[in-house]
Amino acid sequence: GESVGLHLPTLSVQEGDNSIINCAYSNSASDYFIWYKQESGKGPQFIIDIRSNMDKRQGQRVTVLLNKTVKHLSLQIAATQPGDSAVYFCAERRDSSYKLIFGSGTRLLVRP
Amino acid sequence: GAGVSQSPRYKVTKRGQDVALRCDPISGHVSLYWYRQALGQGPEFLTYFNYEAQQDKSGLPNDRFSAERPEGSISTLTIQRTEQRDSAMYRCASSLAKFPGTRVNEQFFGPGTRLTVL
Repeated sequence: GESVGLHLPTLSVQEGDNSIINCAYSNSASDYFIWYKQESGKGPQFIIDIRSNMDKRQGQRVTVLLNKTVKHLSLQIAATQPGDSAVYFCAERRDSSYKLIFGSGTRLLVRP
Repeated sequence: GAGVSQSPRYKVTKRGQDVALRCDPISGHVSLYWYRQALGQGPEFLTYFNYEAQQDKSGLPNDRFSAERPEGSISTLTIQRTEQRDSAMYRCASSLAKFPGTRVNEQFFGPGTRLTVL
């Protein structure tokens, strides 16, 4: 399959542990943020989103935290599973436009 | 149901040739986006359609790149006089509504077309 990236920052975790993936964004005017998961050979897939008027949002096994003071976004995955292995991207929307600006990815490797 | 499809999945061409990349969005999706993704990077916005109207082409690198969506469904991204620097993964995404501000406007990505210019 298509390799998403060969020299990405990599987070390696033990199966069952929690994972935290971080992202810094640059524009304080950004008002909407999304985390995407990209498996090898596939397009990015929506995981969870958060609006700028929120600090935290939870989904199934995933939590997104937003710190607007330091322009930082994180994705927490609980009880990480082998199927979580992928590259994760954060994306921001700026100034209520339709454009999504993607950050650089982080590769998550789950050790069995 | 069927997701976003793109064709061809792989395209190898010689420098100077024109290429046309096709995107079939999810049926009923109003918005269509083209992105370019380099290895290890997130998708980079190229252009956006609302129905058949190209509302933003600010991400197209130069005038060799063009896109159309004549009937508000299938879209074609055309690159004329290809150069080696055009080699990349080209991805299409579609969403049900106009603005990606809420979950209902989620962008669904296609598998991409890997373009290699020799």
